[in-house]
Amino acid sequence: TQLLEQSPQFLSIQEGENLTVYCNSSSVFSSLQWYRQEPGEGPVLLVTVVTGGEVKKLKRLTFQFGDARKDSSLHITAAQPGDTGLYLCAGGLSGGGADGLTFGKGTHLIIQP
Amino acid sequence: EAQVTQNPRYLITVTGKKLTVTCSQNMNHEYMSWYRQDPGLGLRQIYYSMNVEVTDKGDVPEGYKVSRKEKRNFPLILESPSPNQTSLYFCASRINPTMNTEAFFGQGTRLTVV
Repeated sequence: TQLLEQSPQFLSIQEGENLTVYCNSSSVFSSLQWYRQEPGEGPVLLVTVVTGGEVKKLKRLTFQFGDARKDSSLHITAAQPGDTGLYLCAGGLSGGGADGLTFGKGTHLIIQP
Repeated sequence: EAQVTQNPRYLITVTGKKLTVTCSQNMNHEYMSWYRQDPGLGLRQIYYSMNVEVTDKGDVPEGYKVSRKEKRNFPLILESPSPNQTSLYFCASRINPTMNTEAFFGQGTRLTVV
């Protein structure tokens, strides 16, 4: 059972457009992280959100944690080719074993010049 | 520079020939783990280690072994590789396994078993 569902799985848009990707679950998470993975590299942390309803901004990227802490979204404004990559959400489960991180399958994002 | 280093980056081997993928971190992190990444399946955890001499199975441990004799190193061992272990492997470390800590990943090892 996949605890974290990411959508869309693939997204290809033109430079300058806006987009939103989603990370949804039926489970409540104590925290949620977003990572970006570029081809040939490992995932790199973008942000961690902890409080229900929390919004964090990282330049043109806006991250939101749902009020119920079951979902999160990543919005990119005026996408650029450098935003191309695989975006992964990872949820932290309180009391959920020693690992504490569950990854979604990711959204493959391509920004065309 | 804080980093997780995996070697080799690429490896082609034959079925049944034992191999080891090394992983080393220079951040004095307690927690280390191994993942495999496959198309359509995402990142799946193979094994993790809470500290020296403490290891445990993740979601897909079959066919793999690990050891944690030193805090910085966490090698992944395939005693008898099979073609279904062809995958992209990542080692990761965290300062501790609490929910909010950042996972630092290595650059990955692309393994092909023929």
